[in-house]
Amino acid sequence: GNSVTQMEGPVTLSEEAFLTINCTYTATGYPSLFWYVQYPGEGLQLLLKATKADDKGSNKGFEATYRKETTSFHLEKGSVQVSDSAVYFCALSDSTGDTDKLIFGTGTRLQVFP
Amino acid sequence: NAGVTQTPKFRILKIGQSMTLQCTQDMNHNYMYWYRQDPGMGLKLIYYSVGAGITDKGEVPNGYNVSRSTTEDFPLRLELAAPSQTSVYFCASSLYNEQYFGPGTRLTVT
Repeated sequence: GNSVTQMEGPVTLSEEAFLTINCTYTATGYPSLFWYVQYPGEGLQLLLKATKADDKGSNKGFEATYRKETTSFHLEKGSVQVSDSAVYFCALSDSTGDTDKLIFGTGTRLQVFP
Repeated sequence: NAGVTQTPKFRILKIGQSMTLQCTQDMNHNYMYWYRQDPGMGLKLIYYSVGAGITDKGEVPNGYNVSRSTTEDFPLRLELAAPSQTSVYFCASSLYNEQYFGPGTRLTVT
């Protein structure tokens, strides 16, 4: 079945460091791919998405490119801030059946220190 | 426009008790979902609905029930609470494949 694998956390960085969080997926067909962010004590918020191969999603300085050949959707940011500390979830949409259900990875906690 | 709201925020239940987690959205979305999030894990789909009067099981439906009498509301019912149901529960709604999440209900069963 469809699945998402994320790198283990926590990822600990200093402010202004470069961030990469790896995400790979297994899926039949052509799912859409997402990154969600969860700040402490809050629900998940959509950070960015890509709906087809080679699409690049971007938002708030974060980027991720839908790579079909490597089945990956790695999240990157050139210069992280303390306010980026959160848990990041990679997800894909499972379009079998009557609605797009999301399949989530286990999440990667990012901690940014000043 | 409040988005997706959930009540209560926190609840402690004794084993065998029952309760209903409330979820309401004001975006007129047809699709709604219930997830649970266990520590260190991703979200698992419990139930979902594609419109009023229509519900279906997700990945982990055992021990839960849902109903969808209106577009806005999608309550989740626990009939006989068990310690394994200790988790954080999130409700979400979507128009297409972009889901909007509520703030969650943290439930502890002891």
